Amino acid sequence: SQWGEENLQALSIQEGEDVTMNCSYKTYTTVVHWYRQDSGRGPALIILIRSNEREKRSGRLRATLDTSSQSSSLSITAAQCEDTAVYFCATDRGMGYKLTFGTGTSLLVDP
Amino acid sequence: NAGVIQTPRHKVTGKGQEATLWCEPISGHSAVFWYRQTIVQGLEFLTYFRNQAPIDDSGMPKERFSAQMPNQSHSTLKIQSTQPQDSAVYLCASSLWGVSYEQYFGPGTRLTVL
Repeated sequence: SQWGEENLQALSIQEGEDVTMNCSYKTYTTVVHWYRQDSGRGPALIILIRSNEREKRSGRLRATLDTSSQSSSLSITAAQCEDTAVYFCATDRGMGYKLTFGTGTSLLVDP
Repeated sequence: NAGVIQTPRHKVTGKGQEATLWCEPISGHSAVFWYRQTIVQGLEFLTYFRNQAPIDDSGMPKERFSAQMPNQSHSTLKIQSTQPQDSAVYLCASSLWGVSYEQYFGPGTRLTVL
């Protein structure tokens, strides 16, 4: 899992498997953003879950948010090779605009 | 929609030289952000403009770093007297104001200070 500030994690799975990445944050947030970053590119927002939502789905992606434990997760169903990337969670610490990024989870999906 | 444009993509400077990085936000976006990314520190917020006005520069190093947004179509980040520790990828992002602050990032400028 990734915290707001440390512990880059690396995951390696086979194509077709499901995978879940976790994010723990330390302060209040109104929203959790999940970004993916491909090598040589900027982060791209893939899913955003607000503090009044417990779950959000987008295609093969599913994000959950537990404000009581200050944690969020991102699940990918039936991962594909093109899902290989670094995934970041980001919180706004209640400020709405200033994002604090986690250290990221590096996901490698092998064919 | 070309997305957020950043130039140059790569810049190499000698220690003590000045570096200016450019960002063109997505047309219609009123908020512009600058972040810095390194292996050690990860992604760090630097500064934020809304409607061209500087709102929050709490992440900017107090010396040598400055950012401006002279018009709605571009922002610059200037680093004076660059040092090796300034080497990083500098990312610009833009968003619509008040829309969950969904930030759209550019590809970044990789700055290398020799």
